[in-house]
Amino acid sequence: KQEVTQIPAALSVPEGENLVLNCSFTDSAIYNLQWFRQDPGKGLTSLLLIQSSQREQTSGRLNASLDKSSGRSTLYIAASQPGDSATYLCAPKGGSYIPTFGRGTSLIVHP
Amino acid sequence: EAQVTQNPRYLITVTGKKLTVTCSQNMNHEYMSWYRQDPGLGLRQIYYSMNVEVTDKGDVPEGYKVSRKEKRNFPLILESPSPNQTSLYFCASSPDRGGKDEQYFGPGTRLTVT
Repeated sequence: KQEVTQIPAALSVPEGENLVLNCSFTDSAIYNLQWFRQDPGKGLTSLLLIQSSQREQTSGRLNASLDKSSGRSTLYIAASQPGDSATYLCAPKGGSYIPTFGRGTSLIVHP
Repeated sequence: EAQVTQNPRYLITVTGKKLTVTCSQNMNHEYMSWYRQDPGLGLRQIYYSMNVEVTDKGDVPEGYKVSRKEKRNFPLILESPSPNQTSLYFCASSPDRGGKDEQYFGPGTRLTVT
């Protein structure tokens, strides 16, 4: 069964820092991996989707990389802002059609 | 606006009283699913559907039922709710039948069973 670990569990940084959020998964037989953002008490917003054949995806200040063979994905956030404060979740999806979510990294960016 | 909607957003009920949480998407997506989110456990899939009249169990299906009579709707039914079903519930949809594309989530339904 797929297990997903996100490190760190929590992160508090001053505005302007470049950040690295890590996601590791045990079963490398995945179709894709999706990164989400969740604000407190709210739904999930999709940030980036990386297909298994891709190495990385970029959207604005966000860059996600995928190393399927080693079971790792990394989300880079450049020049962090207070509005980036949220919980970030990764979800690899394998052949069972059931994605497995990590427990998330809770990020606080303070002015 | 392309979206996934859920109703109700908040619900407080008593043990054993049947309830239904509705989910609807206007994007003509093939794949729909239900999740529950609990502190310390993260998001877990309850049921999913790859097409009309096709549903399958996720990781935690016990105590829940679903139906997919129309492509756009995927209601979650709790026949006899219990306190351990108190949770935050999310519906999601995806264009691809196998769910290989990006998933879009609804705003969530916070359920409390007393």
